[in-house]
Amino acid sequence: DSGVTQTPKHLITATGQRVTLRCSPRSGDLSVYWYQQSLDQGLQFLIQYYNGEERAKGNILERFSAQQFPDLHSELNLSSLELGDSALYFCASSGGGRVGELFFGEGSRLTVL
Amino acid sequence: EDQVTQSPEALRLQEGESSSLNCSYTVSGLRGLFWYRQDPGKGPEFLFTLYSAGEEKEKERLKATLTKKESFLHITAPKPEDSATYLCAVHLRERTGNQFYFGTGTSLTVIP
Repeated sequence: DSGVTQTPKHLITATGQRVTLRCSPRSGDLSVYWYQQSLDQGLQFLIQYYNGEERAKGNILERFSAQQFPDLHSELNLSSLELGDSALYFCASSGGGRVGELFFGEGSRLTVL
Repeated sequence: EDQVTQSPEALRLQEGESSSLNCSYTVSGLRGLFWYRQDPGKGPEFLFTLYSAGEEKEKERLKATLTKKESFLHITAPKPEDSATYLCAVHLRERTGNQFYFGTGTSLTVIP
């Protein structure tokens, strides 16, 4: 158990809809990262937050947005969903001086029909 | 363009048959290279961090090494429980914040 909690574990929705994925980082970790993993592209970095502030952006679509709240949990909002958005979405957290030691949640599997 | 490439994509080994996985990178400003293990349906699990060429790290049957252009994950006398996808990731110096770019992984199957 990594200590990172993601909900929901599975989500099935239709094209055009909007969903919110939630992540609770490990206790004490200030950084949260979001990744998308699809079969053909591997783990794609989306966005990073540190203590409530956006720190780095990767290949995140404009239809996607995220935020980190004062209690450090984070949400990833996906809107105007397309079939190609079907993927596993992982949240990871890190803390302290051990940069790169990311602790991943078990992911949220999104299926867009 | 920054790139992380892992090879082979898939590897089948007999139990006890040692081998190596490769991660090559063409990035500027590498701050660190990381290895993760991912089991099916699970999130990646951190294994090693390597910061400079010549550095080596070991954990049980796994040993990671780093050169200026690539990293190897050596698996000695693997067991079936070592079956997983092994991912490498690079941490880039030039970007703002901490961005980690992952390769697509090597899927390892160890046959009893």
